This record gives sequence, C-alpha cells and structure tokens, in this order.
Amino acid sequence: GNSVTQMEGPVTLSEEAFLTINCTYTATGYPSLFWYVQYPGEGLQLLLKATKADDKGSNKGFEATYRKETTSFHLEKGSVQVSDSAVYFCALTLNTNAGKSTFGDGTTLTVKP
Amino acid sequence: DVKVTQSSRYLVKRTGEKVFLECVQDMDHENMFWYRQDPGLGLRLIYFSYDVKMKEKGDIPEGYSVSREKKERFSLILESASTNQTSMYLCASSLYPGTGNDEQYFGPGTRLTVT
Repeated sequence: GNSVTQMEGPVTLSEEAFLTINCTYTATGYPSLFWYVQYPGEGLQLLLKATKADDKGSNKGFEATYRKETTSFHLEKGSVQVSDSAVYFCALTLNTNAGKSTFGDGTTLTVKP
Repeated sequence: DVKVTQSSRYLVKRTGEKVFLECVQDMDHENMFWYRQDPGLGLRLIYFSYDVKMKEKGDIPEGYSVSREKKERFSLILESASTNQTSMYLCASSLYPGTGNDEQYFGPGTRLTVT
C-alpha cells in the first residue's frame, strides 16, 4: 500500500535557524507530493507541491524537491520565523487512487524568538 | 480563492444525538472528503465522495454516514453520537486526479464534543 513517513516531532528551533523536516514515501506508481501546513485552530492549507521527479516546489521561503531515487520530499527553509510555528504534513496522491491522499502523521514546529 | 466552509467551528452534543456536520465548497470540485483529526493519530479519512450521490468508505467509517445531494455540499452524519467521536472534523475538496491540480482544500474544522 501507499504510506508517508515523516520525521517525528516536535521540533523546536530558534528564530533564523535552518529547518529540515524529512519525508519519505512508499507508493505503487508515480505520486504527486505535497506539503500542507496547519496553523493553530485552523484547517490544513497547501504549502507547496511537486508533481514529477526532480520538480522543486517552493512557497514562502520553503522548498522541497521530489527525489524519486530516494523516495523523499524533504521540507527545508533557510531561516525560520516565529510565525512559521505550525504543524506540517507531508502527503501523496496517486491518479489511480481517485484523488485520495495519504498523509504523514504531521510534525509540530515551534520557533522561539 | 477556493473556499471550503463548515457549518460550525464548535459543537457540543449529547450521547445518542444525531449530529449533522455540513461542508460547502465553491469551486466546482468533484472530490470531497471528511477526515477526523486526533492527537497522535494524524488525519484519518472517514468518507470520500467523487461525484454527486457517489460515496466511498474511508479508513474509519463505522458510526458515520454521508450525503452528497449537490456537488458543492457534503454532509457528515453521526447517527448516534458517542463520546469516542469527540474530535476535530475536517472537510476538504479537490479536483479529480490527473489535472495536475489535485491538491486538497480544507475547511477550518469543526471541533465536536460529545458529552
């Protein structure tokens, strides 16, 4: 079956630190890959995505590259801010699965001033 | 901007009550989803609909049913609420896969407490 494994949290960083949240996946086929972010008290929102191998998704200073050879989609940001404190979810979708997504368990990031 | 709205942000119901959670999307999306989110358990799919009147069970459908009479509206029904259904419920919608734009758009969530 399909699965997404995320780096366990919680992660606590100081402002301006470098962020990496690891994500690896298992899929039968060629998935699209996503990072979603959930701020306190809200639903999830799309942060970035990549639909094929070697694509790089980027948004708000966050980046992730679709690595087919290592089945990974690690999230990175060069300098985090307090406002980046949230829960981050890695996810995949397969065309053969009618649009249903498989989500990782989420990684809670806290950024301290 | 795609907007997914849920009928309530907070809801308190008694054990045994029938509970309706409503979700509406305004972008003509084919797919709609209901999830529940619990600490330490991530997001779990309850039901999924890929077209009007079409539905498919997710990972945890027991104790729930759904209704999709119109494309924009997807309702989650708790037939007889129990305390173990206390949770955050998230609705989402997406285009049908294969478009390259099949990311999911989420509503703000309904925090349901069953007492």
